[in-house]
Amino acid sequence: DGGITQSPKYLFRKEGQNVTLSCEQNLNHDAMYWYRQDPGQGLRLIYYSQIVNDFQKGDIAEGYSVSREKKESFPLTVTSAQKNPTAFYLCASSRITGIEQFFGPGTRLTVL
Amino acid sequence: SQQGEEDPQALSIQEGENATMNCSYKTSINNLQWYRQNSGRGLVHLILIRSNEREKHSGRLRVTLDTSKKSSSLLITASRAADTASYFCATDARKKLVFGQGTRLTINP
Repeated sequence: DGGITQSPKYLFRKEGQNVTLSCEQNLNHDAMYWYRQDPGQGLRLIYYSQIVNDFQKGDIAEGYSVSREKKESFPLTVTSAQKNPTAFYLCASSRITGIEQFFGPGTRLTVL
Repeated sequence: SQQGEEDPQALSIQEGENATMNCSYKTSINNLQWYRQNSGRGLVHLILIRSNEREKHSGRLRVTLDTSKKSSSLLITASRAADTASYFCATDARKKLVFGQGTRLTINP
């Protein structure tokens, strides 16, 4: 059963704490992406990776960090430097960049 | 940076009617894609239309692309309650997809 998974589904964080969101895919896709979605809004790109051990900043990378040590995994860390981290985070993957993307179910992060 | 903008922002119709959503974008593209998002879920890819195509069909979906006007439309025919969702257009821009704000579609029984 191929797909893309994100965990956890809901995450609560205290101000000042870093938190890491998991994203795993078994689609053998080279490209992976992280998006942020605020209520009633579209998706904004945080980071993307075209290949293992390489990633690029998206439009709103400040306060976030990523790694791509394995093809299947692209974890996102929301650092304490992110001023307004409460949002819905979506991970996606595609065979190459610029074509159809497959999305995970999302993680809803709430900062208390 | 926002490339695509959907219109209308919200649309409410009766079951069985057709729904039309529009997307405008600013720069040249290789392709334009439409996605659906049910509330609180991830996005699902619906259809991709290339810049050299003018129209594409997939089941009850019909997408048109007018590159001279930098616009696209998504038509859902014979709508069903299960079509209730937000619909986003996305354009490719330097190896990234840029999403619009979305159209929230409600199908009333």
